[in-house]
Amino acid sequence: DVKVTQSSRYLVKRTGEKVFLECVQDMDHENMFWYRQDPGLGLRLIYFSYDVKMKEKGDIPEGYSVSREKKERFSLILESASTNQTSMYLCASSLLGGASPSPLHFGNGTRLTVT
Amino acid sequence: AQKITQTQPGMFVQEKEAVTLDCTYDTSDPSYGLFWYKQPSSGEMIFLIYQGSYDQQNATEGRYSLNFQKARKSANLVISASQLGDSAMYFCAMRPTSGTYKYIFGTGTRLKVLA
Repeated sequence: DVKVTQSSRYLVKRTGEKVFLECVQDMDHENMFWYRQDPGLGLRLIYFSYDVKMKEKGDIPEGYSVSREKKERFSLILESASTNQTSMYLCASSLLGGASPSPLHFGNGTRLTVT
Repeated sequence: AQKITQTQPGMFVQEKEAVTLDCTYDTSDPSYGLFWYKQPSSGEMIFLIYQGSYDQQNATEGRYSLNFQKARKSANLVISASQLGDSAMYFCAMRPTSGTYKYIFGTGTRLKVLA
């Protein structure tokens, strides 16, 4: 089974802090994703990466950056945390896909609170 | 524009009965994949079932089946013999086969199974 591990389940940070959310997958997936989930808004894509050192902006990249130095690890960085970044953050990975899109495999999520 | 619509914010079902969760989608891509995910209160997103746009038969996985009506652009999830553990949020998602790595999610349906 694919395992996607997020480093923290719960995180509390102060406004202005730099925050790192780490995600590791163990199935050699090419694609990795960061989503945030807010009530009533569903899942919104922040960034995704299809290869080491490659990244593309999703729908809501403002205030975030990412790093993918190794294939198995994808980090989300909040450069200067703000209260409107309080949310559930979900990391996911998938195979590159061929004739059919591959399903996303998610981590357990990190619930971030910025005070 | 690509979009997933889940019109039922919440649903109730009696234990052991079947329930259908609605999902309609909008895409101009000829080839795409449709996915359903379950999110219990613990927060993890669990992949349930996949349907390819060119699949001739409706997908089934245990108690889950997907009622795929391509002409109507609907991909409803049917859960048979509901169990208390089925109480969760359910998300419908779509991804075109080519051209983008982005998965589009609906806003979800909260299902409550009653004893």
